[in-house]
Amino acid sequence: GDSVTQMEGPVTLSEEAFLTINCTYTATGYPSLFWYVQYPGEGLQLLLKATKADDKGSNKGFEATYRKETTSFHLEKGSVQVSDSAVYFCALSDQGAQKLVFGQGTRLTINP
Amino acid sequence: DAMVIQNPRYQVTQFGKPVTLSCSQTLNHNVMYWYQQKSSQAPKLLFHYYDKDFNNEADTPDNFQSRRPNTSFCFLDIRSPGLGDAAMYLCATSREGGSNQPQHFGDGTRLSIL
Repeated sequence: GDSVTQMEGPVTLSEEAFLTINCTYTATGYPSLFWYVQYPGEGLQLLLKATKADDKGSNKGFEATYRKETTSFHLEKGSVQVSDSAVYFCALSDQGAQKLVFGQGTRLTINP
Repeated sequence: DAMVIQNPRYQVTQFGKPVTLSCSQTLNHNVMYWYQQKSSQAPKLLFHYYDKDFNNEADTPDNFQSRRPNTSFCFLDIRSPGLGDAAMYLCATSREGGSNQPQHFGDGTRLSIL
């Protein structure tokens, strides 16, 4: 079945550091890929998405590129801020599906 | 702002006492979802409605049921909560059920069982 694997956390960085959170997936069809962010005590918010190979999703300085050849959708940001501290979930939705398959989440802490 | 609203934010119930969590949306989306999220874990889909059509996940316990009386509202009923049901419950919506449709989440209800 479909699955998503994220790099294990927690990840701790200093402010202005470069961020990469790895995400790889297994899917039978041609899925859409998403990154969601969850701040403490809140629900999930869509951060960015990509719906086909080579698409790049971007938002708030975060980027991720849909790489079909490596089945990956790594999240990157050039210069993180303390306010980026949260849990990040990679997810996919396969063709014809009405549900998301989530990775296990990566907790990110940014120190000033 | 259009949004997904969950009430209450925190709910405490007793072991075995039925509890209902509510979700409303002003997005006029066709699909509504209920997830269970335990500490430090990914959300786990319990069931979803596509309009009035109910879709239960195979591993959702019978103890969990849902109602969607209209487009805007959806309820999660836990008939006899056990200690293992303590979790954050998230409601989400999407406009349609296609794979490229993002889901919009409420802030969740944190359920505690005494």
